[in-house]
Amino acid sequence: SQTIHQWPATLVQPVGSPLSLECTVEGTSNPNLYWYRQAAGRGLQLLFYSVGIGQISSEVPQNLSASRPQDRQFILSSKKLLLSDSGFYLCAWSTKNSGGANFAQFFGPGTRLTVL
Amino acid sequence: AQSVSQHNHHVILSEAASLELGCNYSYGGTVNLFWYVQYPGQHLQLLLKYFSGDPLVKGIKGFEAEFIKSKFSFNLRKPSVQWSDTAEYFCAVSRSSGSARQLTFGSGTQLTVLP
Repeated sequence: SQTIHQWPATLVQPVGSPLSLECTVEGTSNPNLYWYRQAAGRGLQLLFYSVGIGQISSEVPQNLSASRPQDRQFILSSKKLLLSDSGFYLCAWSTKNSGGANFAQFFGPGTRLTVL
Repeated sequence: AQSVSQHNHHVILSEAASLELGCNYSYGGTVNLFWYVQYPGQHLQLLLKYFSGDPLVKGIKGFEAEFIKSKFSFNLRKPSVQWSDTAEYFCAVSRSSGSARQLTFGSGTQLTVLP
């Protein structure tokens, strides 16, 4: 079965410091990978998605970047954190099968980021 | 651009009451629709999904949802809620771009079930 891991689970960082959040998927190959942010009292906002190694698409302009150095690894980064980067970051994966049954995305446990 | 609206931000029910959470979407193409649930302290889980066929879909834990194309709606229902259904519920719609399947989420509905 497939599993998705995220770390760290929680993180407190000062403004201006760098960020690196990691997501890895097990039990599948060549997945689509996604980063979402969930701000308090709001829904999930798609930040980045990737269809393959080195292929990153950004949904919204922001202070963050993403990279996919390996097939099942997705990294969210920032060179200098802002207060507004605080939130709950979720990684998700989905298959590429064009059949409708595989359009669902499956989410990791998330990382709670607090920028002070 | 597509959007998803969940009109109920917080719903409070007593056990055994019936539940209906509203979800409306705007999208000019073929849609795939989802309900996700996030129980306290747990990660987001898929509750049910609609891709095609029977517009009434059944999910886990006795939940069901009905796709009404003419109303652009995908409301979530459960005939009798339990205390353990206390959670946040998210409706989502997918669009496609190449081989990716991006989801647009609603803002969520917090359900509190009183024992």
